[in-house]
Amino acid sequence: SQTIHQWPATLVQPVGSPLSLECTVEGTSNPNLYWYRQAAGRGLQLLFYSVGIGQISSEVPQNLSASRPQDRQFILSSKKLLLSDSGFYLCAWTRSIMTSGRGTQYFGPGTRLLVL
Amino acid sequence: RKEVEQDPGPFNVPEGATVAFNCTYSNSASQSFFWYRQDCRKEPKLLMSVYSSGNEDGRFTAQLNRASQYISLLIRDSKLSDSATYLCVVNSDAGNMLTFGGGTRLMVKP
Repeated sequence: SQTIHQWPATLVQPVGSPLSLECTVEGTSNPNLYWYRQAAGRGLQLLFYSVGIGQISSEVPQNLSASRPQDRQFILSSKKLLLSDSGFYLCAWTRSIMTSGRGTQYFGPGTRLLVL
Repeated sequence: RKEVEQDPGPFNVPEGATVAFNCTYSNSASQSFFWYRQDCRKEPKLLMSVYSSGNEDGRFTAQLNRASQYISLLIRDSKLSDSATYLCVVNSDAGNMLTFGGGTRLMVKP
């Protein structure tokens, strides 16, 4: 079976500090991977998605970046955090578009980030 | 206009009640539809897919109306454990990009 991991679970960082959040998927190959942010009491905002190693698409301009150094690893980074970066960061995966399926996304447990 | 719209609620219902949520979507070319459940401070989890003919899973029934571009979720015999936020989700392209509604919060009271 497939599992998705995220760490850390909780993070408190000062404004201007760097950020690195990691997401890994087990039990599948060549997944599509996604980073979302959910602000308190709000809906999910898609930040980045990736269809393969080194392939990153950005949905919104911001001071965040993403990388996919390995097939099942997705990293969210920032060089300098802003107060507005606080939120619940969720990684998700789907089967590759090349395989059958209806596009169901499965989420990791999330990282709760507080920027002070 | 938002791509996927939901009434944020909260819907406060007593145990045993039947409650229904609606969701509207703007892209008539949308292909796949889902309901996710999100508990407080947790990740969203797939509750059920929504099929054109409607589908049922235990106490939960999902319906799709393509002509009016809305999706519904009916919960019968509500349990305390049904308290959560229910997210309406639509896949509007040929790939795997999902658009999430803002969620409807349900609170089931004893």
